[in-house]
Amino acid sequence: GAVVSQHPSRVICKSGTSVKIECRSLDFQATTMFWYRQFPKKSLMLMATSNEGSKATYEQGVEKDKFLINHASLTLSTLTVTSAHPEDSSFYICSARLLAGGGETQYFGPGTRLLVL
Amino acid sequence: SQQGEEDPQALSIQEGENATMNCSYKTSINNLQWYRQNSGRGLVHLILIRSNEREKHSGRLRVTLDTSKKSSSLLITASRAADTASYFCATDAKQGGKLIFGQGTELSVKP
Repeated sequence: GAVVSQHPSRVICKSGTSVKIECRSLDFQATTMFWYRQFPKKSLMLMATSNEGSKATYEQGVEKDKFLINHASLTLSTLTVTSAHPEDSSFYICSARLLAGGGETQYFGPGTRLLVL
Repeated sequence: SQQGEEDPQALSIQEGENATMNCSYKTSINNLQWYRQNSGRGLVHLILIRSNEREKHSGRLRVTLDTSKKSSSLLITASRAADTASYFCATDAKQGGKLIFGQGTELSVKP
């Protein structure tokens, strides 16, 4: 099956710094990728839809200036958490949409655990 | 976005027993999918059922869909300790491929 990777898998940073998380589709091209965050023992909350070559679409309540998304190529989307604070600590998961055979499937990355001190 | 509800929130069973998890949603859908997540890990896709299907099987998994009640169930038969994980349903909300996830069921299978 299709593979999606995320880097880094874990990151610890100081409050006020910015952190970039990469999401790559390894063996397919994805015009659309999605970013989710997940708090402990909670479900996945969609943050934004990342579209290659255009601006991301953010869900209600998600600050676009706080969570910068760039989808510069068909295999890479990045999420930058700017001026991170402890409340941004979470598990961030991306997915990439594969269109094939008249249908579509989303493949999820392994997640990035962010801890802001 | 509206999230669906799953019940139970937590389920503890013995190995060999069947586990049933339910999911309800609120909007019209193209399909409904079930995912599994081991603690601290990414999601693994288990099964997809389309809106015009009522039941689907994959190995020890059986999924049903009732669009009139906007609900789905996931049955895992002859459970194993390795099935211990969180299980999420997700609906394709007919909005450009966005998936809306349920709250999840935390399954514990005791050997």
